Amino acid sequence: AQTVTQSQPEMSVQEAETVTLSCTYDTSESDYYLFWYKQPPSRQMILVIRQEAYKQQNATENRFSVNFQKAAKSFSLKISDSQLGDAAMYFCAYRSARSRDDKIIFGKGTRLHILP
Amino acid sequence: EAQVTQNPRYLITVTGKKLTVTCSQNMNHEYMSWYRQDPGLGLRQIYYSMNVEVTDKGDVPEGYKVSRKEKRNFPLILESPSPNQTSLYFCASRPLLGPGHGYTFGSGTRLTVV
Repeated sequence: AQTVTQSQPEMSVQEAETVTLSCTYDTSESDYYLFWYKQPPSRQMILVIRQEAYKQQNATENRFSVNFQKAAKSFSLKISDSQLGDAAMYFCAYRSARSRDDKIIFGKGTRLHILP
Repeated sequence: EAQVTQNPRYLITVTGKKLTVTCSQNMNHEYMSWYRQDPGLGLRQIYYSMNVEVTDKGDVPEGYKVSRKEKRNFPLILESPSPNQTSLYFCASRPLLGPGHGYTFGSGTRLTVV
């Protein structure tokens, strides 16, 4: 079974600095998708960035970028120029491209604090 | 605005009283899912649907029912709620086609069963 591990329960970063959130996953499949979701205090689950496993190029969305290392099964999220609004719980997630149940497997999350 | 709408946002009910949490999406998505989020357990899939009249169990389906009579709606039904179903519930949807589309989530429903 696939698993997603986020080893940092909490992190803090100074406003305007850069922070990297770690994620590793375990799968025997070669075709899958990886995501980072943000959950602010409002509880909404917001898709931050996605990565297709067949793409070697790392995804980027404005201040958010990933470092996707397929062989190492690592998928870290880098947030540049951190802003107060980035404070949230961040979930790394995996979805197989071929499983019938279309299930997203989430990590346990990393709570990110932004220090003014 | 493209969105997944859940109602209600908060609900307190008593054990055994049937309830329905509604979910509607306006993006013509084929896939829809229900998740529950619990401290220490993360998010777990309850049920999913690949299209109208096609539903199946996820990891924690016990005590829940769903239906998909229309493409846009995917209600979650608790026939006889129990305290262990106290949780934060999310409905989510995604299109069938497209490069690895992540799910779009609703705003969540905080359910308390006393």
